[in-house]
Amino acid sequence: QSAPTQPPSASGSPGQSVTISCTGTGSDVGGYNYVSWYQQHPGKAPKLMIYEVSKRPSGVPDRFSGSKSGNTASLTVSGLQAEDEADYYCSSYAGSNNLVFGGGTKLTVL
Amino acid sequence: QVQLVESGGGVVQPGGSLRLSCVASGFTFSGYGMHWVRQAPGKGLDWVAFIWYDGSKKYYADSVKGRFTISRDNSENTLYLQVNSLRAEDTAVYYCAKDRGSWYYSDYWGQGTLVTVSS
Repeated sequence: QSAPTQPPSASGSPGQSVTISCTGTGSDVGGYNYVSWYQQHPGKAPKLMIYEVSKRPSGVPDRFSGSKSGNTASLTVSGLQAEDEADYYCSSYAGSNNLVFGGGTKLTVL
Repeated sequence: QVQLVESGGGVVQPGGSLRLSCVASGFTFSGYGMHWVRQAPGKGLDWVAFIWYDGSKKYYADSVKGRFTISRDNSENTLYLQVNSLRAEDTAVYYCAKDRGSWYYSDYWGQGTLVTVSS
């Protein structure tokens, strides 16, 4: 079971939008609508930002949105703010009672 | 508020064992499935195991199957992970996490406990 691929880094200036991709296969990202996204600040526990591809838990700003096309899921952060600087991980159901995380993307706010 | 507090980590020799614990509060523990997820130093997240709300079903990552055992005591609001036959590559911070009513994602995470496998 290989992990979905995420770009190691992404960046944007305050106020801009940035999109992070998560590319898997038809056996994980492309096969199920169980893609989620987590934000992790250094030394902190992960925080759920998006679940079921595009749903936001209460309390998560609507600047964060998710989508999926084929085997690639995407997290878009609009109106970038300094506090959005963190690592972001996608996760997907991979069949046979397995979950898989992407390798993570470090988002830098310039 | 929801709190998850892990403990039981430490330094152990290759081949050794540990039992990790996660004490839950602030929600009805017996109503939710629970995950263990680990993160090696400087690396990404790695799903380890999941247990149903009543302990009736358990799922494991292939990398830990046969070596790790997830369990829970709903009377004590506690989740466990018995880790045996430890290898250097098991060195990581181990997080417990509560499912969000569906086991595919977790809405609350603990702060983690560090397991270091070294001779």
